[in-house]
Amino acid sequence: SQKIEQNSEALNIQEGKTATLTCNYTNYSPAYLQWYRQDPGRGPVFLLLIRENEKEKRKERLKVTFDTTLKQSLFHITASQPADSATYLCARRDPAGANNLFFGTGTRLTVIP
Amino acid sequence: EPEVTQTPSHQVTQMGQEVILRCVPISNHLYFYWYRQILGQKVEFLVSFYNNEISEKSEIFDDQFSVERPDGSNFTLKIRSTKLEDSAMYFCASAPLDSRTQYFGPGTRLTVL
Repeated sequence: SQKIEQNSEALNIQEGKTATLTCNYTNYSPAYLQWYRQDPGRGPVFLLLIRENEKEKRKERLKVTFDTTLKQSLFHITASQPADSATYLCARRDPAGANNLFFGTGTRLTVIP
Repeated sequence: EPEVTQTPSHQVTQMGQEVILRCVPISNHLYFYWYRQILGQKVEFLVSFYNNEISEKSEIFDDQFSVERPDGSNFTLKIRSTKLEDSAMYFCASAPLDSRTQYFGPGTRLTVL
């Protein structure tokens, strides 16, 4: 079965710095990867989707990359703010062709003022 | 902006009792999902529903679980005989036909005593 690993369980950074979160997957490359934000006690909120033929995607202060050679996606938040503190989830479809999402365990980001 | 809603926000039940968790997906969406998240663990797929039938289900979704779309707006998850290990947050999600993005509700916290 497929795996998604988000290497860091928790990441603390200083306000204003760039946060970089990692998502690694196994076996075949998914057609796309998605990134979600989850606040405590709340449901995931969609942030960005990147397709396997896209190297990079941006949305405001967010940037996602997709490297099919490394089987990795990186999620960057530039000029981080305390309000960015949350858990960030990487997700893929599993199995291929299915509509359901298979989530990683998430990285809990804390931005320190 | 339209949102997925879920009721109740918190449900406490005795082991062996039946529970029904309710969801109102976004009105023009056609795909519906249930996920669960045990405290401190990752979000796990349970079941997807399209065109009035289950399209995919996970190993977690055994005979104790069922889903229904009783009318044009509600989408329910029933657990026939709850176990202690069913205690979790249950998230409903919906998606339109032409999108890979899923929109999650705020969740129902189920506590089985």
